[in-house]
Amino acid sequence: GAVVSQHPSWVICKSGTSVKIECRSLDFQATTMFWYRQFPKQSLMLMATSNEGSKATYEQGVEKDKFLINHASLTLSTLTVTSAHPEDSSFYICSARDTGGRSHSPLHFGNGTRLTVT
Amino acid sequence: GNSVTQMEGPVTLSEEAFLTINCTYTATGYPSLFWYVQYPGEGLQLLLKATKADDKGSNKGFEATYRKETTSFHLEKGSVQVSDSAVYFCALSDQQAGTALIFGKGTTLSVSS
Repeated sequence: GAVVSQHPSWVICKSGTSVKIECRSLDFQATTMFWYRQFPKQSLMLMATSNEGSKATYEQGVEKDKFLINHASLTLSTLTVTSAHPEDSSFYICSARDTGGRSHSPLHFGNGTRLTVT
Repeated sequence: GNSVTQMEGPVTLSEEAFLTINCTYTATGYPSLFWYVQYPGEGLQLLLKATKADDKGSNKGFEATYRKETTSFHLEKGSVQVSDSAVYFCALSDQQAGTALIFGKGTTLSVSS
């Protein structure tokens, strides 16, 4: 089945530094990938939609200059948390749908990245 | 806008008990509906889906029927196991391809032996 690989699975960084998270579709192409953030014991909040070859679309309240998204190819999207602060500590999850898939095709999820900012 | 409402958890059951996790939705048009499961420390996995009214999705003993008249997609399992302990998310996707899923808040299920 379709696999989405997310790396790293966990990262600890110091306040003020930047962290890059990669999301790869391993056996399918994804024109669009989605980045979610999950707070403890809460649901997934959509942060942004990553579009291959164009700018990402951010949800209301998500700072685009803080959460930089790059979707340079049909199989790779990256999320960079810039100048991280402790409140950015969270579980970040990417997902993708096969480019040929319709709305009822399921999203495939990466295993998530646990970010801890100290 | 579109939204998904799930029953609050946690749900605590004994092994072999019957499970129901309620899910209702608000959407324009005809969304597709999904249940995802998240095991401790892992990402989300698709459990089952339904794409039109009266469809029944099923997998691993879990079932959910797309009820348009009640805008519901309740998850059921006749006999739960300890290994079913996880967080379950109901989600919807609207008609347009390329759109993200909208999730409910998730329901934690804990099954004891």
